[in-house]
Amino acid sequence: AQSVTQLDSQVPVFEEAPVELRCNYSSSVSVYLFWYVQYPNQGLQLLLKYLSGSTLVKGINGFEAEFNKSQTSFHLRKPSVHISDTAEYFCAVTPRGEKLTFGTGTRLTIIP
Amino acid sequence: KAGVTQTPRYLIKTRGQQVTLSCSPISGHRSVSWYQQTPGQGLQFLFEYFSETQRNKGNFPGRFSGRQFSNSRSEMNVSTLELGDSALYLCASSPGGQANYGYTFGSGTRLTVV
Repeated sequence: AQSVTQLDSQVPVFEEAPVELRCNYSSSVSVYLFWYVQYPNQGLQLLLKYLSGSTLVKGINGFEAEFNKSQTSFHLRKPSVHISDTAEYFCAVTPRGEKLTFGTGTRLTIIP
Repeated sequence: KAGVTQTPRYLIKTRGQQVTLSCSPISGHRSVSWYQQTPGQGLQFLFEYFSETQRNKGNFPGRFSGRQFSNSRSEMNVSTLELGDSALYLCASSPGGQANYGYTFGSGTRLTVV
């Protein structure tokens, strides 16, 4: 079985500062990794995904993530955040085509 | 290209009643998955349908059921509602049932059981 740990439930960041949201996973098989964002009263929007190849993945809205197999991590980063980035962020894994297993989410709050 | 459409957006039901939620996937997508989101349990997988067949099922009681029609639209049904069923129910579609495409989620149905 797979599991996902998002270590930080809440992350406050000043506007225009960099941010890193941490995600660690556990799996006995190879997995695909995803980051989703959820704005208030909305569904989940895919930010980026890692399937194979380059370990640095670029996504929408200036976000990127780095897959580290030895650390079993897939941390999400943005060099400069904006007020509009205020949302909840979910890391998810799947063992190649099966159901998504989500982390508990990290609430990102941008401080003006 | 239209996204994933879930209806209704909001629903209030009484304990003991049953409810049916609907999901229309992106045109051409054949896989539909359902997730329950609650503050306490987070996002939990309910089931997945592909070409009208249930392929995967999560750890939910039999009161939760679903189906998929030939046009890939899906419905989920919850019978004998309990207060704990109050949640945001999210539907996601993907082209061929493989998560490597990245599921596209709908806006969800907010179910409140009173």
